[in-house]
Amino acid sequence: EPEVTQTPSHQVTQMGQEVILRCVPISNHLYFYWYRQILGQKVEFLVSFYNNEISEKSEIFDDQFSVERPDGSNFTLKIRSTKLEDSAMYFCASSEGPGGGYTFGSGTRLTVV
Amino acid sequence: DQQVKQNSPSLSVQEGRISILNCDYTNSMFDYFLWYKKYPAEGPTFLISISSIKDKNEDGRFTVFLNKSAKHLSLHIVPSQPGDSAVYFCAATSPGNAGNMLTFGGGTRLMVKP
Repeated sequence: EPEVTQTPSHQVTQMGQEVILRCVPISNHLYFYWYRQILGQKVEFLVSFYNNEISEKSEIFDDQFSVERPDGSNFTLKIRSTKLEDSAMYFCASSEGPGGGYTFGSGTRLTVV
Repeated sequence: DQQVKQNSPSLSVQEGRISILNCDYTNSMFDYFLWYKKYPAEGPTFLISISSIKDKNEDGRFTVFLNKSAKHLSLHIVPSQPGDSAVYFCAATSPGNAGNMLTFGGGTRLMVKP
């Protein structure tokens, strides 16, 4: 069964450093997403991406965050200058179209120290 | 801003019995609802969904019921199996949502005892 692949599974970084979280969505999917889940809290939407541009973003997704689809397969989330409160599980997801169930990756646990 | 709420953080059920997981929402613009299951160290896995034009959708052991007037949906699992033990999230989306954003509830941890 096709799956969404995320790397790394765990990333530890110093506060203020830049991190790039990587995702390979399912190949025939057209919509891509990043969500995060801070420990003990809800899964929260960050951003959706379609047709090589951001289609929607939440208020969490401020200027410190950016997304890119640098080639035909990867979808990345960059955090420019990490803060302690960025520590969370970050989930990438993709879908064929709107309104359907997404396929989520297994997540990257980001720990900012 | 809790547009989607799951008021029971946990639920314990005996194997073979029915599990009923509940979800309430406040945003009347939501028109599509989904249930996801999540095991530790894995991403959420899509289970079943329902459109607001329906009040019931069934897939094997899983049935989702939607009561629009009460802004309430529930997931029934019958019979429950130990492998169903996981965290279950309900999620919702609305048609004006260009980015296909999902709003999640806080999750309910289901424990199915053998």
